[in-house]
Amino acid sequence: AAGVIQSPRHLIKEKRETATLKCYPIPRHDTVYWYQQGPGQDPQFLISFYEKMQSDKGSIPDRFSAQQFSDYHSELNMSSLELGDSALYFCASSLTWSGGATDTQYFGPGTRLTVL
Amino acid sequence: AQTVTQSQPEMSVQEAETVTLSCTYDTSESDYYLFWYKQPPSRQMILVIRQEAYKQQNATENRFSVNFQKAAKSFSLKISDSQLGDAAMYFCASTSGYALNFGKGTSLLVTP
Repeated sequence: AAGVIQSPRHLIKEKRETATLKCYPIPRHDTVYWYQQGPGQDPQFLISFYEKMQSDKGSIPDRFSAQQFSDYHSELNMSSLELGDSALYFCASSLTWSGGATDTQYFGPGTRLTVL
Repeated sequence: AQTVTQSQPEMSVQEAETVTLSCTYDTSESDYYLFWYKQPPSRQMILVIRQEAYKQQNATENRFSVNFQKAAKSFSLKISDSQLGDAAMYFCASTSGYALNFGKGTSLLVTP
């Protein structure tokens, strides 16, 4: 079965640079989520999109922005990178039912971002 | 704030034995879902099992089962006939709107 695709898998950037992470959800999934997992930490929710509209927002820094496109893929843009942004960034996708409830989130393999 | 608590940072089990991982949660939502995810050294997040809060019956998936106590807000994971491949970090999670709230995780070691 098709899974969530994330690219790139690894990314190395310098401080103050910009990074763009891409996520391609499971086919027919209409909702995407972004999570950040620091070393030895649990994943922290950043932001989610349903039908190209932001559906929820967590602890996402103002330096980060994201969007979902018409083909349902999503991009997370990170500017003015800091050393503390080094982490594993997960994208997950799911269906959202007509009543608003979301189905199980399936995670991609993650993008490992290293900021030097 | 919604919280998920895993009180066991590390657990150890022998191959073929049974182990139970604990999780408690706090939520103000009336309709929510609970999950256990497994994160092996590859760091992929793999769904283990899901429980709908409105269902009284405990979820099971092969060797994995849960003990869901809604009133106590408890959601433990039982792994039967443990295998070496079960060694991983296990995260308990609850839904909060669109987001998943995760516990800090329990590292499971499986010994031969």
